[in-house]
Amino acid sequence: GEDVEQSLFLSVREGDSSVINCTYTDSSSTYLYWYKQEPGAGLQLLTYIFSNMDMKQDQRLTVLLNKKDKHLSLRIADTQTGDSAIYFCAETSSRGDTGRRALTFGSGTRLQVQP
Amino acid sequence: DTGVSQNPRHKITKRGQNVTFRCDPISEHNRLYWYRQTLGQGPEFLTYFQNEAQLEKSRLLSDRFSAERPKGSFSTLEIQRTEQGDSAMYLCASSFTRGSPTEAFFGQGTRLTVV
Repeated sequence: GEDVEQSLFLSVREGDSSVINCTYTDSSSTYLYWYKQEPGAGLQLLTYIFSNMDMKQDQRLTVLLNKKDKHLSLRIADTQTGDSAIYFCAETSSRGDTGRRALTFGSGTRLQVQP
Repeated sequence: DTGVSQNPRHKITKRGQNVTFRCDPISEHNRLYWYRQTLGQGPEFLTYFQNEAQLEKSRLLSDRFSAERPKGSFSTLEIQRTEQGDSAMYLCASSFTRGSPTEAFFGQGTRLTVV
């Protein structure tokens, strides 16, 4: 079945860059997502990347995809204390009206930003 | 429309009781998903609706669980004869998909505690 793995914890100092890594097993994955979850809150979609891309940049966020190695990373530039949260990697093989609709999530990486 | 709304936010119940949760998706969204999240884990897919049709159910969805979306708008998730292992955060998400990608927006969840 599908599997998504992430490291559990990352600690960085404010102003540094954070890099959160994710690996997945499903070679038919079409979209890969990064979600953020703050305490007591729901999941917030940060960004996504289509499997035929290898990079996507959105303000402070850069997503890199190595499809050959099934490796996804999220880089947060100039990390702030407000970025402290749990970050989830997720994938789906949904393509229009075909494929699996639901997201498969990793276990999440807790990012701690120290002042 | 302020996003996906879930009620109640918290529910404490005694083992063996039945509970029902409600999800109101973003109004124009045709797809609705239920996920379960336990402590330290990512969300796990339970079931998915397109309009009023329940199109996919996870193996996690035992016979004690039932979900409905009678008019293709709000949805309910009922758990009968609750067990302590049902204690978790139940998350609802919705999306509008005409083609790709599937951007799912999550509610804040209902936290169930079975005592």
